[in-house]
Amino acid sequence: EPEVTQTPSHQVTQMGQEVILRCVPISNHLYFYWYRQILGQKVEFLVSFYNNEISEKSEIFDDQFSVERPDGSNFTLKIRSTKLEDSAMYFCASSRTTGSGGAFFGQGTRLTVV
Amino acid sequence: AQRVTQPEKLLSVFKGAPVELKCNYSYSGSPELFWYVQYSRQRLQLLLRHISRESIKGFTADLNKGETSFHLKKPFAQEEDSAMYYCALSAGGTSYGKLTFGQGTILTVHP
Repeated sequence: EPEVTQTPSHQVTQMGQEVILRCVPISNHLYFYWYRQILGQKVEFLVSFYNNEISEKSEIFDDQFSVERPDGSNFTLKIRSTKLEDSAMYFCASSRTTGSGGAFFGQGTRLTVV
Repeated sequence: AQRVTQPEKLLSVFKGAPVELKCNYSYSGSPELFWYVQYSRQRLQLLLRHISRESIKGFTADLNKGETSFHLKKPFAQEEDSAMYYCALSAGGTSYGKLTFGQGTILTVHP
């Protein structure tokens, strides 16, 4: 069964550094998403992406965040200058049709900012 | 704005007992509701969506618009049902791609 894969599984970075979290969505999916979950808190929507552009973003997704689909298979989340409060589990998801309710999630990348 | 509330952080039952995981939502429009499950060290998986009216692994959930609830039920819990369960809402329209999650309920089924 096809799966969304995310790399790395765990990333430790120093505050102020840039990080790129990588995701390979399921190959025939058209809609892509990033969510995050701070330890002990809810899973929160960050951004949705379709047709090579952002279709919706939350208030969390400020100018420090960006997403890209550089080569038709990868989907990346970049955080330009990490803060301590960016420490969280980041989930990538993809879906074939609109509506992430039917989305397939990756296993997550745990980002630790020190 | 939409909100999803799962009032129980932890729920423990014995094998064979009925289980109900509660989910209430707040949204003025016509939402779509979902249940996701996360087994230990695994990814979030879609369990149920209200529009499908299906039963998966013996679980069912009915959308009650009057009570704004979407409780997840199973008549006879199994040990392998132990997991984290998340209720989620999609607002539809231009926000169709965005899911709002509840805080999750950890279900433990004891032998």
